[in-house]
Amino acid sequence: DAKTTQPPSMDCAEGRAANLPCNHSTISGNEYVYWYRQIHSQGPQYIIHGLKNNETNEMASLIITEDRKSSTLILPHATLRDTAVYYCIVRDTGANNLFFGTGTRLTVIP
Amino acid sequence: NAGVTQTPKFRVLKTGQSMTLLCAQDMNHEYMYWYRQDPGMGLRLIHYSVGEGTTAKGEVPDGYNVSRLKKQNFLLGLESAAPSQTSVYFCASRTDSQIPIRNYGYTFGSGTRLTVV
Repeated sequence: DAKTTQPPSMDCAEGRAANLPCNHSTISGNEYVYWYRQIHSQGPQYIIHGLKNNETNEMASLIITEDRKSSTLILPHATLRDTAVYYCIVRDTGANNLFFGTGTRLTVIP
Repeated sequence: NAGVTQTPKFRVLKTGQSMTLLCAQDMNHEYMYWYRQDPGMGLRLIHYSVGEGTTAKGEVPDGYNVSRLKKQNFLLGLESAAPSQTSVYFCASRTDSQIPIRNYGYTFGSGTRLTVV
């Protein structure tokens, strides 16, 4: 699986959009981009995933660049409960591991 | 629908003791995984299973054994606990759907915090 690069930490004001970047310059054509988050040592929680097109669900939006070398997770209206470590993972659907790096620690500030 | 349930939630062991961590899922998922997470680090795969009766090694398998006798259960065993195995252990499961759009990702349990003294 391709490795990803994320900033170690970010702050966001409550109610504003949180934009979390991820670089995955070695991604291959059959690898998806997944985002998970981990709130205060709980089990990681699936957020969203995509291959080429931008995706949106009830939790977030995922913007993938045309060359697929980077992506951005957008939380449109961050709340205090969104404070967590966010992991960007690229993975072939046939692979048997999610490689968790150290992620981005997002702190939502009141 | 409880998802993925891990027992126990907390445990303290003495060096050399043995124990088994139980993971149970009620989603009829084929794939199950055991991860460990050390402070300030991401999760690392210990062992995994692609179906009942099968197991395979992950990144950090040494010192652990696993069994998948029933589809819904995945057991992680420590035969002789060492302080280096102090960690938080997470179990996860996922569907084996071959349709990527339905592969909504892994479902994780809430973790077992293990301390070996």
